[in-house]
Amino acid sequence: DSGVTQTPKHLITATGQRVTLRCSPRSGDLSVYWYQQSLDQGLQFLIQYYNGEERAKGNILERFSAQQFPDLHSELNLSSLELGDSALYFCASSAGSDPYEQYFGPGTRLTVT
Amino acid sequence: ILNVEQSPQSLHVQEGDSTNFTCSFPSSNFYALHWYRWETAKSPEALFVMTLNGDEKKKGRISATLNTKEGYSYLYIKGSQPEDSATYLCALHGGSQGNLIFGKGTKLSVKP
Repeated sequence: DSGVTQTPKHLITATGQRVTLRCSPRSGDLSVYWYQQSLDQGLQFLIQYYNGEERAKGNILERFSAQQFPDLHSELNLSSLELGDSALYFCASSAGSDPYEQYFGPGTRLTVT
Repeated sequence: ILNVEQSPQSLHVQEGDSTNFTCSFPSSNFYALHWYRWETAKSPEALFVMTLNGDEKKKGRISATLNTKEGYSYLYIKGSQPEDSATYLCALHGGSQGNLIFGKGTKLSVKP
């Protein structure tokens, strides 16, 4: 158990809908990262927050947004969902941006039908 | 765009065999390299974070080396066991931003 929690574990929704994925980092970790794992793709970095502020952005679509709250939990919002958004979404946390280990949550499997 | 390549894509070995995989990355502006172990239906588990050229790290039967000048890292598993079956990922640390750029992984299957 990495100490990172993600809810829900599974999510099935229809195209055009909006969903929110939630992540609670390990106690004391200030950085939260979101990654997407699609079929045949490696883990792709989406976005990073550090202590409430956006720190880095990767290949995140404009339909997706995220935030980190004062208690350091983070939410990833996916809107106008398309079939291609079906993927495993991981949240990871680390103490900071330096080369600390990143600890991954169990992931949320999103299926868009 | 930074590209991280891993080879082979998959590997099938017998229990007791020793094995190794390669991770290649651009050698310029190197910051850090991470190795992760990812079992099916679980989340990636951190193995090593490597920062210095010539670094060698070990955890039990698993070890890794790093060559930042030529842009590669090797992961070795000595005496593979069935429980070593997993996908092994390497990831380049994206500098001060902290994000990881992952390779596609090497899938290891160890037959009893």
